[in-house]
Amino acid sequence: AQSVTQLDSQVPVFEEAPVELRCNYSSSVSVYLFWYVQYPNQGLQLLLKYLSGSTLVESINGFEAEFNKSQTSFHLRKPSVHISDTAEYFCAVWDDKIIFGKGTRLHILP
Amino acid sequence: DTGVSQNPRHKITKRGQNVTFRCDPISEHNRLYWYRQTLGQGPEFLTYFQNEAQLEKSRLLSDRFSAERPKGSFSTLEIQRTEQGDSAMYLCASSLFQAEQFFGPGTRLTVL
Repeated sequence: AQSVTQLDSQVPVFEEAPVELRCNYSSSVSVYLFWYVQYPNQGLQLLLKYLSGSTLVESINGFEAEFNKSQTSFHLRKPSVHISDTAEYFCAVWDDKIIFGKGTRLHILP
Repeated sequence: DTGVSQNPRHKITKRGQNVTFRCDPISEHNRLYWYRQTLGQGPEFLTYFQNEAQLEKSRLLSDRFSAERPKGSFSTLEIQRTEQGDSAMYLCASSLFQAEQFFGPGTRLTVL
């Protein structure tokens, strides 16, 4: 069965600083990977996904993630965070349903 | 609004009572999924339907949990004889293409 591991439960970062949220997945022949975001008191929203093709995928609000097969990683990055990015971020993998990691809480410091 | 809807949004019940939650998927979506999310954890898969067929239910947490999708449209999740450990957010998602799921806002259950 597929699984993902999010290496950090919390990441504090200053506003306008870069951030990386780490995610590793269990190896498989083919893999679909996702990042979901959950803002305070809101539902889950798909941030970005990797299904095939380009290994670098981007979201509309400046996040990007790179599928790295050799390192079995799908880390999420943003070059400059904003206070509005405060949320819980879930890495996930497709295994005929979505298997989520435990989440990383991104805490933006003023 | 054409997104996934869930009702009720919040449910408070006493231990031992039965509760039922409803999910209305996006209209053309044939797959419907149920997940549970407890505090500080990622969502955990429970069961899913393709049209009215329940294709996997082995992850339902106990025989107190059951789900239906009688006409292949909306779905209900029922928990019988609720326990305090059932307190969680129950999420529904729907999809047309397998890997692209859209989530509803969830039903938050509190068992006293």
